[in-house]
Parts: sequence; structure tokens; C-alpha cells
Amino acid sequence: DTAVSQTPKYLVTQMGNDKSIKCEQNLGHDTMYWYKQDSKKFLKIMFSYNNKELIINETVPNRFSPKSPDKAHLNLHINSLELGDSAVYFCASSQDIPGPGGYSNQPQHFGDGTRLSIL
Amino acid sequence: EDKVVQSPLSLVVHEGDTVTLNCSYEVTNFRSLLWYKQEKKAPTFLFMLTSSGIEKKSGRLSSILDKKELFSILNITATQTGDSAVYLCAVLANSKLTFGKGITLSVRP
Repeated sequence: DTAVSQTPKYLVTQMGNDKSIKCEQNLGHDTMYWYKQDSKKFLKIMFSYNNKELIINETVPNRFSPKSPDKAHLNLHINSLELGDSAVYFCASSQDIPGPGGYSNQPQHFGDGTRLSIL
Repeated sequence: EDKVVQSPLSLVVHEGDTVTLNCSYEVTNFRSLLWYKQEKKAPTFLFMLTSSGIEKKSGRLSSILDKKELFSILNITATQTGDSAVYLCAVLANSKLTFGKGITLSVRP
């Protein structure tokens, strides 16, 4: 069983279209994330959700809208796709453990990525 | 803004060599430093370091953190071609992971 699964694996579409990427985790984790990895392999966080609540939004254009119907799912919808959106998008999840000074995150587990190509 | 810098950016070695990969950081509210290995798909977790000076080891890989000098190293001894990958360093601070740009390691037979 895949712990963090994303669909689709590949997405090829034209500029201006709207598309969605789905992510599901079966690890029972409370926190889920979306990352964007560019052609130079630089991974950058986009969003983070904890128990369906948005906790991080890293100055991502509002064409990107995450949706978390429950804590096991975090989907990413992108409107009006642009050439610069071409990248690999990774979903991840982690389990927060309470500790001194607040919650300590555990290692994040990543999905296999969705390669988005804009024509 | 939180910053993670890895060096070198790429490295080519021969099987059997030992390599040291570097990661330095400048963040507020540091929680931990993580190393990941990325081959074709998902980054896979290697180590999580929270305390200074305590070496973590897994087979031929080991890593250590220096919280005073704000850096970590990842060592790989007796490298094999299967170690060829991008090695990512990330720092957990302010409830998020900030990644470095990665080090591309190529191990030649």
C-alpha cells in the first residue's frame, strides 16, 4: 500500500486551462503539504494543512487553491495555468507530536510527485 | 527569511570513495534538520537531527549536526553506484520545512 499517493502522475495541458491534482495519505497523519519542485530540483513549500485547517500559505498566486475535505486528503486546484507552472508537484504528510514549546513535526513522507507540463 | 545552503552543488566520485555533503542554515525557531535522498521520484527520508554532536548512523551513511555553527554534514563511506541521487537538506522551523537546492551525487563504477 502506498502511504502517500498522488494522482495523476503526469499532466500535460494547455495554457489557460484549469486542472486538479489529488493527494491521499493512509498514515493517519494530521498534517499535509504541497511542494513545488522546479527544473533545478529546488523543492519549495506551497501550502500546509493541519486537520483540514490551512496553516501555511507561502505567497502562492491565488490561482492555486488547496482543498482538504478531511485530514487524509489534500487536493490542489490550479486555475488559468501558465507556462511557469510547469514543475513537479509533491504532496507530503507528517504526524505532529506535542513537545516542550509546542508541536514538533515528525519527518515528512512524500508522494511520488505529479509532473505538470504546460504547452 | 529562512535559508538553507548546501555544498557542493554536484559531485562525481568513483565507487569506494568516501564523500561528505555539507548543509548550513540560517533560520529562526530551529526545530530539527533533515536529510533526504531523491532518486527518480519521491524524496526518501534518511535522518532527522535535533541535538548537536550526536551522530546518527545507518549502514554506510552517517550525519551530525552542529547547532552552534549552524551546519550539518552527511557522510557516505564506500560509495556504490546506487548512492547516485540528489541529497536534500531541509530545516524544520516555524512549522515548515525549508529545503536547500540539493547536492547531485554521481558515483561512477
